Amino acid sequence: KQEVTQIPAALSVPEGENLVLNCSFTDSAIYNLQWFRQDPGKGLTSLLLIQSSQREQTSGRLNASLDKSSGRSTLYIAASQPGDSATYLCAVRSNAGNMLTFGGGTRLMVKP
Amino acid sequence: GAGVSQSPRYKVAKRGQDVALRCDPISGHVSLFWYQQALGQGPEFLTYFQNEAQLDKSGLPSDRFFAERPEGSVSTLKIQRTQQEDSAVYLCASSLMRPVGTGELFFGEGSRLTVL
Repeated sequence: KQEVTQIPAALSVPEGENLVLNCSFTDSAIYNLQWFRQDPGKGLTSLLLIQSSQREQTSGRLNASLDKSSGRSTLYIAASQPGDSATYLCAVRSNAGNMLTFGGGTRLMVKP
Repeated sequence: GAGVSQSPRYKVAKRGQDVALRCDPISGHVSLFWYQQALGQGPEFLTYFQNEAQLDKSGLPSDRFFAERPEGSVSTLKIQRTQQEDSAVYLCASSLMRPVGTGELFFGEGSRLTVL
């Protein structure tokens, strides 16, 4: 059974810092990995999708990497802003099934 | 519509009542998923549909939970005889089926259920 872990569970940084959120998964037979953002009381917004054949994806100030063999992904946020404050969720779609397995999320607060 | 639509956004039920939560996926999306998200945790898988077929219901926590998608579009998640532990946000997601799509899931805003 796929298990996804996110570290740290919570993070508070001053505005302008570059930061890295970590995601690890136990079964490397994945189809893709998706990073989401969730604001309080809201649904999930897809940030980046990395296919199993890819090593990284970039969108604006966000860069996500994937190392299947070690079961790890990182989300890099450059020049953080207060508007980046949210919970960031990593989710893995395994080859064996169709569902996404989520980590517990990292709650990020960027202080002005 | 352009995105996944869920209703109601908020539902308060007395313990023992039945509730029904609706999901309207993105038009043309064959795959539909239901997830349950407890406060402060990541979403947990409940069930998966491909068109009208329920291919995986391994995540449904008890036989009080039932989901359907009779015409392969709108889906309803029904919870019978609600209990306090059912209080959570219920998220619906849809995607294009592989290999036509990328497999990217798009989520709705969720239905927040509070059982008193």
